[in-house]
Formats: sequence, C-alpha cells, structure tokens
Amino acid sequence: DSGVTQTPKHLITATGQRVTLRCSPRSGDLSVYWYQQSLDQGLQFLIQYYNGEERAKGNILERFSAQQFPDLHSELNLSSLELGDSALYFCASSARYGTYEQYFGPGTRLTVT
Amino acid sequence: DQQVKQNSPSLSVQEGRISILNCDYTNSMFDYFLWYKKYPAEGPTFLISISSIKDKNEDGRFTVFLNKSAKHLSLHIVPSQPGDSAVYFCAATDPQAGTALIFGKGTTLSVSS
Repeated sequence: DSGVTQTPKHLITATGQRVTLRCSPRSGDLSVYWYQQSLDQGLQFLIQYYNGEERAKGNILERFSAQQFPDLHSELNLSSLELGDSALYFCASSARYGTYEQYFGPGTRLTVT
Repeated sequence: DQQVKQNSPSLSVQEGRISILNCDYTNSMFDYFLWYKKYPAEGPTFLISISSIKDKNEDGRFTVFLNKSAKHLSLHIVPSQPGDSAVYFCAATDPQAGTALIFGKGTTLSVSS
C-alpha cells in the first residue's frame, strides 16, 4: 500500500459528460501528479501541483483541469468526454519539491461509452 | 515521439535465473532514471533509481546500470522469483521539465517456476 488513495476505482460514463477523479496523497506529501495510461501506452504526465499551486503541465487537454485543495487532496476534472478519454488515470505524490521518487495510487479506470 | 523506449514488450525467465530488462532514451539531458513495477489492478510501485552521475545502483536483488554514452539503462534481477512477474516501466526526468516522469511503454516479465 503506497498510502495514496484514489476514488472512484471504476467510472463508466457517456460521451459529452463530465467526471471528477479524486486523489489523496501520502500523509505529508505536498506534490501531486496526474498521469494517464491509455491502452498499450506508457503513463503520460498530465499535470503537477505543489502545495496548492500548479507547477508543471504535460500533455493535458484543455477539456481537462485539476486543482489541489488546502488539505492537499487533488481533483482531476474531465469534461466533454470522448471515447478516446477511456483510460487509467493515476495520481502520484512525492514528499518534497525536487524529489524524483513518486508513489502511485491504484488508479481510476474511466470508460466512456 | 517516444523519448523513453522499452523495445521488448515481454520477457520470459526461469526462476533463479537472471532477468535483464532494457531501456533506451533519446534525450541526453535526462538526469535521473527510475524503474517501477506494476501488478494488474494496482498502481506502479517504485523499485530503484539512479542519478545520471552514477553508472550503477544496487538494492538487494535489483541492480540498475546506466550507460550514458549509449543512452541505455538496464535493470538486472538476480535471482528471479515468480513474484517478480509484473510489468516493469522505465522512467526518466528532464531537468527542464521539473520532476514529472517520462515513462516507457513497459516490459512484461514472466518468471516461471
């Protein structure tokens, strides 16, 4: 158990809808990262927050957004969903800014029908 | 274009023998490399890492070798155990992009008893 929790575990929704994925980092970790793993792909970095502020952006679509709250949990919002958004979404946390080792949650499997 | 490549999708090894997983990268600026292991329905688990200023790092049965001139790293598992059967991801960090991880597509290791 990495100490990172993600909810829900599975999510099935229709095209055009909006969903919110939630992540709680390990106790004390200030950095939260979001990654997407599509079929036959490695994990693709989406966005990073550190202590409530956005720190880095990867290949995140404009339809997607995220935030980190004062209690350090983070939410990833996906809107106007398309079939191609079906994927595993992982959250990871790390202790300090500049630390490379990240600890991953179990992921949320999103299926868009 | 993939910056981190794991060219072998799968590897089969007998219990007790050595497993060698390979990873190539294209960006000579990458400064830190990590290996993660992933079981089905779980998030990636950090295994071992190496800084670009070193050429070897060892942790128990796991050793990572880095050849900067060849832009190549490998993970050696000795002796291999059936519980090592999982997907192994190689990841790298680009100092110009912060601490986000750039992943390969993974290699599935099967260790038979």
